[in-house]
Amino acid sequence: GQQLNQSPQSMFIQEGEDVSMNCTSSSIFNTWLWYKQDPGEGPVLLIALYKAGELTSNGRLTAQFGITRKDSFLNISASIPSDVGIYFCAGQLRAGGTSYGKLTFGQGTILTVHP
Amino acid sequence: GAVVSQHPSRVICKSGTSVKIECRSLDFQATTMFWYRQFPKQSLMLMATSNEGSKATYEQGVEKDKFLINHASLTLSTLTVTSAHPEDSSFYICSARALLAGNTGELFFGEGSRLTVL
Repeated sequence: GQQLNQSPQSMFIQEGEDVSMNCTSSSIFNTWLWYKQDPGEGPVLLIALYKAGELTSNGRLTAQFGITRKDSFLNISASIPSDVGIYFCAGQLRAGGTSYGKLTFGQGTILTVHP
Repeated sequence: GAVVSQHPSRVICKSGTSVKIECRSLDFQATTMFWYRQFPKQSLMLMATSNEGSKATYEQGVEKDKFLINHASLTLSTLTVTSAHPEDSSFYICSARALLAGNTGELFFGEGSRLTVL
């Protein structure tokens, strides 16, 4: 089945530093999504990417949908303590139809930000 | 924005009992909901796709007789863990697809339900 490899597994950074994480897949996805999950809560959508090559920003976050459709990266600029959490990439095969919403998640990146 | 609510948020039960977890879309109708399981320090793994008015579609390796899913209305799906055992202890998360006006469809996650089986 589909597998997503997300790296790095964890990051320890100082406040103000930039962060980069990425996901690669063994096969193509039509949609890439990036989520943040705080302990004991469900994931919250950060950025959604729908087209190969697309580069999208949301505040200090920037994500790109790889041109091959098999990878994506997420950058966080000027990190702050509240950026702490687990970041997941997720891929979706179909843009519509009954399987829309069926996601394959990466293993997650645990981000720790030191003040 | 659209909200998906899960209940209970935490539940502790004895081994052998059954536990029901509800997933509700509060301000939109969801023809499709998804159930995920997340073990500590691991990623979310899709268990099943819940379709309103029809049988759920289970992922490979997920026992449909153990994890009963009912999607009786456009705003409610339930997951029942039958004869729960300690290895079923996990964080269960649902998501729902919203078809909002002018939108191709957006996915919203619930807050999760932590099940502990003693």
